Amino acid sequence: GDSVTQMEGPVTLSEEAFLTINCTYTATGYPSLFWYVQYPGEGLQLLLKATKADDKGSNKGFEATYRKETTSFHLEKGSVQVSDSAVYFCALRGRAGGTSYGKLTFGQGTILTVHP
Amino acid sequence: KAGVTQTPRYLIKTRGQQVTLSCSPISGHRSVSWYQQTPGQGLQFLFEYFSETQRNKGNFPGRFSGRQFSNSRSEMNVSTLELGDSALYLCASTQPGDAYEQYFGPGTRLTVT
Repeated sequence: GDSVTQMEGPVTLSEEAFLTINCTYTATGYPSLFWYVQYPGEGLQLLLKATKADDKGSNKGFEATYRKETTSFHLEKGSVQVSDSAVYFCALRGRAGGTSYGKLTFGQGTILTVHP
Repeated sequence: KAGVTQTPRYLIKTRGQQVTLSCSPISGHRSVSWYQQTPGQGLQFLFEYFSETQRNKGNFPGRFSGRQFSNSRSEMNVSTLELGDSALYLCASTQPGDAYEQYFGPGTRLTVT
């Protein structure tokens, strides 16, 4: 079945440092890929998405490129801020038939803490 | 456009009781999915409803059920609650389109004592 693996956390950075959170996936066909962010006490917010190979999703300074050859979708940001402290989830929506439309498969989440 | 709303936000129940959670999707979204989030298991898919029909189901016992109404609002029900059902229950509505991106509500925090 579909699966997503994220790098182990937590990740602790100083403000303005470069961020990378690794994400790799296993899926049949050509899944859509997503990054979600969860702030304390809240639900998940969609951060960015990519629907086909070589697509680059970007939002709020975050970027991720859909790499089919390495089955990866790593999240990057050039300069993190304290306000970026949250939990980040990589997710995929499979394309193996119509039954996958409403189902996301998530990674285990990576806790990011940014210090001033 | 209003986001996904979930009620109640917090709930405390006793083992053996049952509970009903409610979710109102974003206007125009016809698909609603439910997820359970726990520290140990992470985010797990429960089920998805589209046009009042369950379209997909995760690997949860039959105590977990749901339904969707003609206005796309959805409810999920958990019967005979167990301590392990304590979790954050998240509802998401799906935007039609190529990516079928999902937008999440704030969740209902269920505590079973």
